[in-house]
Amino acid sequence: QKEVEQDPGPLSVPEGAIVSLNCTYSNSAFQYFMWYRQYSRKGPELLMYTYSSGNKEDGRFTAQVDKSSKYISLFIRDSQPSDSATYLCAMRSGANSKLTFGKGITLSVRP
Amino acid sequence: NAGVMQNPRHLVRRRGQEARLRCSPMKGHSHVYWYRQLPEEGLKFMVYLQKENIIDESGMPKERFSAEFPKEGPSILRIQQVVRGDSAAYFCASSPADRGGDTQYFGPGTRLTVL
Repeated sequence: QKEVEQDPGPLSVPEGAIVSLNCTYSNSAFQYFMWYRQYSRKGPELLMYTYSSGNKEDGRFTAQVDKSSKYISLFIRDSQPSDSATYLCAMRSGANSKLTFGKGITLSVRP
Repeated sequence: NAGVMQNPRHLVRRRGQEARLRCSPMKGHSHVYWYRQLPEEGLKFMVYLQKENIIDESGMPKERFSAEFPKEGPSILRIQQVVRGDSAAYFCASSPADRGGDTQYFGPGTRLTVL
């Protein structure tokens, strides 16, 4: 079993839709959870960061962490064509600094 | 404030040659991480360095790969005797301190193609 599993894609939605992206993990030591956005041929850009369980909202983006279920989610409201990118979940334990990533899901928002 | 810089952006090597990838962290950052992204795969951790020290190299292949972050100058990821399987995007990230990894900022990557 992989440490981090991310829903396979690709995902295509119409503009204005609510998008839900999800990851599950197996390592109970993970405490820090992140979502990165990566445009084609670019480096990952940090979108959201959450420590332990809970919700965090930033504009149209909401990150949720449920440590009891080992499940994290990213919600995008009122999706825009500019949101079209690959979204990567990432996480780490408190013991070291390496990030463990999901494989990523490619989102396309149709105008 | 310049972000993480990587060069070259694209690198073509023939099998058996050496590849040197360079990373300059963000200003004020002293921690550097290297990740590799293979086609259809997620980012995989390779190595974590501080100035003049390798902190965690658990993701580095045992042979042909090495990394350094000298007191002066950029961090270097060196791949000796490249093979076709080394073709990938290599990303560098930096952070100001080991604060849980939440502030790892990534560079644009170096895309290595081995012919």
